[in-house]
Amino acid sequence: RKEVEQDPGPFNVPEGATVAFNCTYSNSASQSFFWYRQDCRKEPKLLMSVYSSGNEDGRFTAQLNRASQYISLLIRDSKLSDSATYLCVVNKADSWGKLQFGAGTQVVVTP
Amino acid sequence: NAGVTQTPKFQVLKTGQSMTLQCAQDMNHEYMSWYRQDPGMGLRLIHYSVGAGITDQGEVPNGYNVSRSTTEDFPLRLLSAAPSQTSVYFCASSPAQEASQETQYFGPGTRLLVL
Repeated sequence: RKEVEQDPGPFNVPEGATVAFNCTYSNSASQSFFWYRQDCRKEPKLLMSVYSSGNEDGRFTAQLNRASQYISLLIRDSKLSDSATYLCVVNKADSWGKLQFGAGTQVVVTP
Repeated sequence: NAGVTQTPKFQVLKTGQSMTLQCAQDMNHEYMSWYRQDPGMGLRLIHYSVGAGITDQGEVPNGYNVSRSTTEDFPLRLLSAAPSQTSVYFCASSPAQEASQETQYFGPGTRLLVL
């Protein structure tokens, strides 16, 4: 079983709609959670950290559910520029900096 | 700041050849790492360094060597290239050793094809 699992998608979303997707992780001791965004043939870039109480950054909302070991990302009012692959990233609790990356969820926003 | 830079952007090698992928950062980050990204898989850690003179193995270190003689540079060496090393390689750096600051800044990547 992969340590971080994501639905690969693609999630096809009309412009202006809301899309949400989850990521599950296997290490219950993980402490740090992130969403990265990766555009086609580009490097990953941090989208947002995920905090225990949940957090928002503009149109993006991230949630953490420790009991069920998943994090989620919700995108409201989707823009064409939101089309990308979203990588779920979880730290290895026993070693700083050793991050576990999911394979990514592809989102395609259509006009 | 240029951030994290990588060279070359593309490379084609024949099986058995050796080469070095270059990575440099100008943000004075202590932590640097190398990942490979393959289709359908998440980024996998190859080697990492917590400071000049200190390196350690990641998840998939076989066939690769690294060194960290300066804070700025972290080259990755392929000793004898194999087709299984065809991948996209990303170098990343991070500023601190606190869990809340584990944000990694990635270079633009090197696309490697081994024939």
